[in-house]
Amino acid sequence: AQSVTQLDSHVSVSEGTPVLLRCNYSSSYSPSLFWYVQHPNKGLQLLLKYTSAATLVKGINGFEAEFKKSETSFHLTKPSAHMSDAAEYFCVVSPYNQGGKLIFGQGTELSVKP
Amino acid sequence: NAGVTQTPKFQVLKTGQSMTLQCAQDMNHEYMSWYRQDPGMGLRLIHYSVGAGITDQGEVPNGYNVSRSTTEDFPLRLLSAAPSQTSVYFCASHVGASNTEAFFGQGTRLTVV
Repeated sequence: AQSVTQLDSHVSVSEGTPVLLRCNYSSSYSPSLFWYVQHPNKGLQLLLKYTSAATLVKGINGFEAEFKKSETSFHLTKPSAHMSDAAEYFCVVSPYNQGGKLIFGQGTELSVKP
Repeated sequence: NAGVTQTPKFQVLKTGQSMTLQCAQDMNHEYMSWYRQDPGMGLRLIHYSVGAGITDQGEVPNGYNVSRSTTEDFPLRLLSAAPSQTSVYFCASHVGASNTEAFFGQGTRLTVV
């Protein structure tokens, strides 16, 4: 069975410092992996997705994620946090050939201090 | 440019009442799904559909029914509401079976008292 574990339920950083949100996955096949962001009282928006074309994936708003098969990780990073980055972030795996089902991690709430 | 539209945005039900959460998409996506979001648990799949007339259960289907009579619409029915169904519900649609972006509605915040 495929699963996703987000290692931190809450991360707090200061504005202008780097962001690291950690995600480990479990998958029998080459996985489809995503990061979604949810701002307060909003729906979910795609940040980036891993398509197996490149292990370093660039997303919107300066976010990146690196797929490491040997570590079964897909951590999300950003060099410099902005106040507007405060939100909840979800690491997501889409199992192969299962009707588009998405399996979500528990979520990481990112706080950004001025 | 509507995308995925959910109604209502907020709802309060009494235990035992039934209701239907509406979801419509205008992107001609074959795949649609319903999730519930609870604190500390991420989003969990309730039901999904791979096309009109085809639905299947997700991780937490008990207490919910779905049907897919058209490509555009995918309503979620609560048959007899229970307090455990208090949650935020999201509908999503996407074009492919995997490795494609899912588009989410704005959510329905449901409280069962």
